Amino acid sequence: NAGVTQTPKFQVLKTGQSMTLQCAQDMNHEYMSWYRQDPGMGLRLIHYSVGAGITDQGEVPNGYNVSRSTTEDFPLRLLSAAPSQTSVYFCASSYPQGLSTGELFFGEGSRLTVL
Amino acid sequence: GENVEQHPSTLSVQEGDSAVIKCTYSDSASNYFPWYKQELGKRPQLIIDIRSNVGEKKDQRIAVTLNKTAKHFSLHITETQPEDSAVYFCAASQAGTALIFGKGTTLSVSS
Repeated sequence: NAGVTQTPKFQVLKTGQSMTLQCAQDMNHEYMSWYRQDPGMGLRLIHYSVGAGITDQGEVPNGYNVSRSTTEDFPLRLLSAAPSQTSVYFCASSYPQGLSTGELFFGEGSRLTVL
Repeated sequence: GENVEQHPSTLSVQEGDSAVIKCTYSDSASNYFPWYKQELGKRPQLIIDIRSNVGEKKDQRIAVTLNKTAKHFSLHITETQPEDSAVYFCAASQAGTALIFGKGTTLSVSS
């Protein structure tokens, strides 16, 4: 199993450009989520999905869109990039265990710089 | 929504000492409390977790305690080693939601 695969690993954008961060998992996990990591701010939840066709907002959803058309893929779209979106982005997936979320498996991260 | 507070933000110990990191959460419906370790430049990885029907869990040198009444949980690392140096995150969630993380604790173990 490849686990959780994110692409690209590095990206530089200009303000106002749009792009999509790709995330795919091959573990048949129901839950998928996107986090951004900034110094001193921890991991902040952007959007998440508990299954194909279902998405919900996290703590910091503004400026980002997601969709979940298949179990495997959960792309994150930046509509009009801003310097405040410069960050490291992590995609993660999990398989719920009973009434709990289950262990999160993270991708390697995507470092995005917006100029 | 859930809010997780984590303290301290930095912690420095001597090799062999114990380290304790504390977290509080706001949503009494949360029932899953994992701890993740992130080494520099790497992705976070689960080190231990606890569910709300358990008060304490131990795995070799690490242990987690949970007080549901007070809504707080703690990570204990005994006999610290230089390789324990990393950023540690606590998190909380309930069924049907994603994990909400604390801001992290940078642990430095000096030999």
